[in-house]
Amino acid sequence: NAGVTQTPKFQVLKTGQSMTLQCAQDMNHEYMSWYRQDPGMGLRLIHYSVGAGITDQGEVPNGYNVSRSTTEDFPLRLLSAAPSQTSVYFCASRLLPGQGNSPLHFGNGTRLTVT
Amino acid sequence: DAKTTQPTSMDCAEGRAANLPCNHSTISGNEYVYWYRQIHSQGPQYIIHGLKNNETNEMASLIITEDRKSSTLILPHATLRDTAVYYCIVNNNDMRFGAGTRLTVKP
Repeated sequence: NAGVTQTPKFQVLKTGQSMTLQCAQDMNHEYMSWYRQDPGMGLRLIHYSVGAGITDQGEVPNGYNVSRSTTEDFPLRLLSAAPSQTSVYFCASRLLPGQGNSPLHFGNGTRLTVT
Repeated sequence: DAKTTQPTSMDCAEGRAANLPCNHSTISGNEYVYWYRQIHSQGPQYIIHGLKNNETNEMASLIITEDRKSSTLILPHATLRDTAVYYCIVNNNDMRFGAGTRLTVKP
């Protein structure tokens, strides 16, 4: 199993550009989530999903859109990038609490810079 | 807001036990306590989890109080490579990490 795969690893955007951060997992996990981590800070939850067709907001959802059309994929979209979105983005997945007490599995992160 | 509170930072001497506390006073009866750590800017690494019994694995031990309102992660013989930020989170659909505890293991 590849686990959680994030692409790209690095990205530079200009203010106002749009892009999609990709996240895929091959562990058949229903739960997937996106976090951002600013320098010297902890992880903050952006959006999460408990299954295909279901998404919900986390702590810092503004400026980000998500969709979950399949169990495997959970892309994060920035519609109009802003310098404040410069951060490292982590995707994670796990079984739902009712399916077993599995830990979160994290991807290696996408380092995004918005100029 | 995260459902847990942790000290901002702690130091530990190499070879000694590191005891990292976490308060989770609003934990629900069916929620697990999970511990992760993050070294530099890598993705967080799972350490251990528990419900109400103490747990031990090859990395650490987890002690949960009887009322489940707090827990302690124990690294029995800390090494320099254990220097990291340690996060305690409670298991629910909205898994929020908080700021964690920055553990520095000193020679």
